[in-house]
Amino acid sequence: GAGVSQSPSNKVTEKGKDVELRCDPISGHTALYWYRQSLGQGLEFLIYFQGNSAPDKSGLPSDRFSAERTGGSVSTLTIQRTQQEDSAVYLCASSYRGGQPQHFGDGTRLSIL
Amino acid sequence: KNEVEQSPQNLTAQEGEFITINCSYSVGISALHWLQQHPGGGIVSLFMLSSGKKKHGRLIATINIQEKHSSLHITASHPRDSAVYICAVLGGGADGLTFGKGTHLIIQP
Repeated sequence: GAGVSQSPSNKVTEKGKDVELRCDPISGHTALYWYRQSLGQGLEFLIYFQGNSAPDKSGLPSDRFSAERTGGSVSTLTIQRTQQEDSAVYLCASSYRGGQPQHFGDGTRLSIL
Repeated sequence: KNEVEQSPQNLTAQEGEFITINCSYSVGISALHWLQQHPGGGIVSLFMLSSGKKKHGRLIATINIQEKHSSLHITASHPRDSAVYICAVLGGGADGLTFGKGTHLIIQP
């Protein structure tokens, strides 16, 4: 596709369940970012990938959050033992390389019941 | 950690007015982004700049690196410009963007 693709677009799950969010970046983009947008916190950075490695995980809020990227392309963000405060829109962005303009996906709206 | 402040938080104006949104940050950066988000919509990058001024259609973005300040201007504003405008900076210790809280802009016909 031409843009950053995220799936699912919406996810509703019960507290305590694990969830996996997927991001398919623009083809050829080596840099990939995960962000979170919540009512109380606004937009915040979670993790940055350059290729398959994650040199900056500083934004992950707890050890329940993890992310991986394989083949320098698709990335998954996993939240284990979800809590209600995890409810937010999770956004993925990619760029040709770090420091270049970022292109955002439409996000995954996660609701924890 | 970089602190990004935007003003105003909310702005309502009449169609045709000249709009200015301001952004200031606390630590030196490599680049600053202006983003647009429509209600219920995704985020679109309007500008990325590290110095000087950029123009795209009715939108103009300026940055003063010494003052750690940027402005986004909209000329001849139109109701379709109604959106949240977000300033975000790259650098200052993190590899991802640090965001301002956004400016909610409403342009009335």
